[in-house]
This record gives sequence, structure tokens and C-alpha cells, in this order.
Amino acid sequence: AQSVSQHNHHVILSEAASLELGCNYSYGGTVNLFWYVQYPGQHLQLLLKYFSGDPLVKGIKGFEAEFIKSKFSFNLRKPSVQWSDTAEYFCAVNPPSNFGNEKLTFGTGTRLTIIP
Amino acid sequence: DAGVIQSPRHEVTEMGQEVTLRCKPISGHNSLFWYRQTMMRGLELLIYFNNNVPIDDSGMPEDRFSAKMPNASFSTLKIQPSEPRDSAVYFCASSSNRGRESNQPQHFGDGTRLSIL
Repeated sequence: AQSVSQHNHHVILSEAASLELGCNYSYGGTVNLFWYVQYPGQHLQLLLKYFSGDPLVKGIKGFEAEFIKSKFSFNLRKPSVQWSDTAEYFCAVNPPSNFGNEKLTFGTGTRLTIIP
Repeated sequence: DAGVIQSPRHEVTEMGQEVTLRCKPISGHNSLFWYRQTMMRGLELLIYFNNNVPIDDSGMPEDRFSAKMPNASFSTLKIQPSEPRDSAVYFCASSSNRGRESNQPQHFGDGTRLSIL
């Protein structure tokens, strides 16, 4: 079964530190990959997505993610975090080969706390 | 543009009561998703519709849960009878997926925080 793993459940960083959140998926075929962010008390918002092409994807708010097919990974990075990045981050996967089923599988999320 | 609109924002009710959650997707979007979020289980897809037709309801936990989409601009998720373990935040999301340009990002509503006493 398709699954998405986010091994970091809670990450605590100081402002200006660099961030990398891990995401691994188990699906062996071509995939579409997403990172969503959920700020406290708010709904999920799309940070970035990968469908094809350049494996290094730039998103909003200075975030980027790199798709490494050989490692089944899509890690999220930011060179210098801010207090306002405190939120929960979700990785999600959908295989386009599964045409007709748009089901996204979400990881369990990583809570990021930034200390001022 | 208005985003996905959900109502109510909060619902507190006693167990055994019927609960109806509502969702208005973004105009022009043809796919609609219902999710449940809890601390224990994270974000789970309950059901999704495409062009008002239920495509995958494998995530619906049991017969007490039902969802409808009578038209392109409205969907409901109903729980009858409700139980305390149904307490969660329920999110609705919509997307625009047509033909081979599928898997467009989902846009989420603000959610309904449901508490069953």
C-alpha cells in the first residue's frame, strides 16, 4: 500500500537556523508530491508541488523541496527560518498513473516550533 | 476569490444527535474532498467526489457517516448517530482536475471543529 513517512514528529529550532524536514514515500511509480503547511488554528495551505521537470522545486515563503527519485524522498528545506514559520507541515503523495483517483495520501505531519 | 467555505466553524453536540457539516467548493472546481483530522490519526481522507459523483469512499469509517453532493456548489457530510470518538476537525477541500492535467493542488477550507459530548 502506498504510504508517506515523516520521521520528524516535532522539530524545534531557533530563528535563522536552517531547516530540513524529511518525507519518504513507498510508491514505486511516477508520483506527484506536495508539501502543505497548517498554521495554528488555520486550514492547510499549499507550500509547493512537484509534478515533473526540475527536481528542485521552489515554493512560497522561501521554502524549497528536492525530489530524489532514487531515495523516494521529497525533503522540505529553508535556509533561514523565522518565528512565523511555526506550524505543522504535511507531505502528501498522489500517483498520476492512478488516473481517475485523485486520492492524496498525507504523512502524519511534522510540528515545527521556532524559538525567537 | 472566495475559497472553500465550510459551516459551521464549531459544533458541540451530545452523542446520539445527528450532525451535518456543509461545504461550498471553489467555483469551477470539479473535485471535492472530505478529510478528518485528529491527534491520533492525523489527516485522513473520508471520501471524494468528482463531478458530483462519489469516486472513493473507502475512508468513510462506518455506516453512521454519509456524504452527498447534490450539485457542483454544495456538499454535506452527515454523522448519524454521532459518538464521542467522532470528535475531530473536519476539512473540506476542492480542486480542478480535468483530463490528463489531473492532480491539481487541493484547496482547503477552514474546517469544522466537532465536539461530541
